[in-house]
Amino acid sequence: QVQLVESGGGLVKPGGSLRLSCAASGFTFSDYYMSWIRQAPGKGLEWVSYISSSGSTIYYADSVKGRFTISRDNAKNSLYLQMNSLRAEDTAVYYCARNLDYWGQGTLVTVSS
Amino acid sequence: QAGLTQPPSVSKGLRQTATLTCTGNSNNVGNQGAAWLQQHQGHPPKLLSYRNNNRPSGISERFSASRSGNTASLTITGLQPEDEADYYCSAWDSSLSVVFGGGTKLTVL
Repeated sequence: QVQLVESGGGLVKPGGSLRLSCAASGFTFSDYYMSWIRQAPGKGLEWVSYISSSGSTIYYADSVKGRFTISRDNAKNSLYLQMNSLRAEDTAVYYCARNLDYWGQGTLVTVSS
Repeated sequence: QAGLTQPPSVSKGLRQTATLTCTGNSNNVGNQGAAWLQQHQGHPPKLLSYRNNNRPSGISERFSASRSGNTASLTITGLQPEDEADYYCSAWDSSLSVVFGGGTKLTVL
């Protein structure tokens, strides 16, 4: 069955960096575009970034453009999100999602001094 | 990257029908249609429908989606206690981004 497992979240100081990973299994990872979507505590969903199946097409939300970098390794069935210059408003549960049809359980990122 | 507009809350009785709305514009909902997701507290979202009324396998026929112009709708018939959740709409926007609605909290009385 399709499984997406995020990791790499944690507590980081403002201005710091963090790298999230998403391990995919149960489907042909290289056939699907993937997204990162986040949800601040008690708030709604916010799309963060998208990467095409080959990795050749990438889009970002304005709120993270220039600070976050999405990437994938199809040989390792893995999706990544490099987050730099983190701000308090980046505090959220970060989900990786296949299209929108399968989601991981999420990993919590807390940006606080 | 303006979001889609959803009513914050809707309340309906058990076994009644609820219709949730999602309003965008011609760059998103009016162009590509909308997807609908259900999220129970403490759980990740689950896709209910995509491109207006395509249901993933395993999703009950009680959930149906439609679109009229720039407004998408999700109709839930025969409301059950387990339908109480947050519902989000989502659409691809021509600005090369994905937009979400703010979510509707559905209460089943």
